[in-house]
Amino acid sequence: DAMVIQNPRYQVTQFGKPVTLSCSQTLNHNVMYWYQQKSSQAPKLLFHYYDKDFNNEADTPDNFQSRRPNTSFCFLDIRSPGLGDTAMYLCATSSFGQGDTEAFFGQGTRLTVV
Amino acid sequence: AQSVTQLGSHVSVSEGALVLLRCNYSSSVPPYLFWYVQYPNQGLQLLLKYTSAATLVKGINGFEAEFKKSETSFHLTKPSAHMSDAAEYFCAVSHANAGKSTFGDGTTLTVKP
Repeated sequence: DAMVIQNPRYQVTQFGKPVTLSCSQTLNHNVMYWYQQKSSQAPKLLFHYYDKDFNNEADTPDNFQSRRPNTSFCFLDIRSPGLGDTAMYLCATSSFGQGDTEAFFGQGTRLTVV
Repeated sequence: AQSVTQLGSHVSVSEGALVLLRCNYSSSVPPYLFWYVQYPNQGLQLLLKYTSAATLVKGINGFEAEFKKSETSFHLTKPSAHMSDAAEYFCAVSHANAGKSTFGDGTTLTVKP
């Protein structure tokens, strides 16, 4: 029944070692989002894809990249993780322009940079 | 621009007592408003949403919220707290695109036996 699936749930990576987080969806939604949530803080939008169009938030560091090879999958790449990138990363989807009134979130990937 | 303020980073209630979590928003256009719940090491689960229909919105798990435009508020209530309600609650606002939301800082709800 899972609709937005994130893998892995937990990831430990070394300082400076590239890491990729994965998100897939079975909802056929046209928009996919990546949020970063640091400990005891609100989720913060990093970027989103509207179909194949990439939309970066103004304050998202260049160290963060994303790929969306098809409708179902979206990846978050962190090129050189720093200790400050330790956080929960949340993927979400929505159906914008098609009666969109709700976003669906995955279970998150908790990333620890050591 | 849009923003959300959640009053009270921590709220503690006794089991069976009323739950009231406060949310005020700022928006230059009619907003979409959401309440989410987050359990430790989990994603966000939608409790309820306001999208310009009825101002009193009922959600899952007995929660409801009332949109008050004059007060720019969207407070979350539940008549009787249950131990399983202990979690982090986030209020969020967006314009048309529900996924492109601005979140409040969250309120941690503790339920005492």
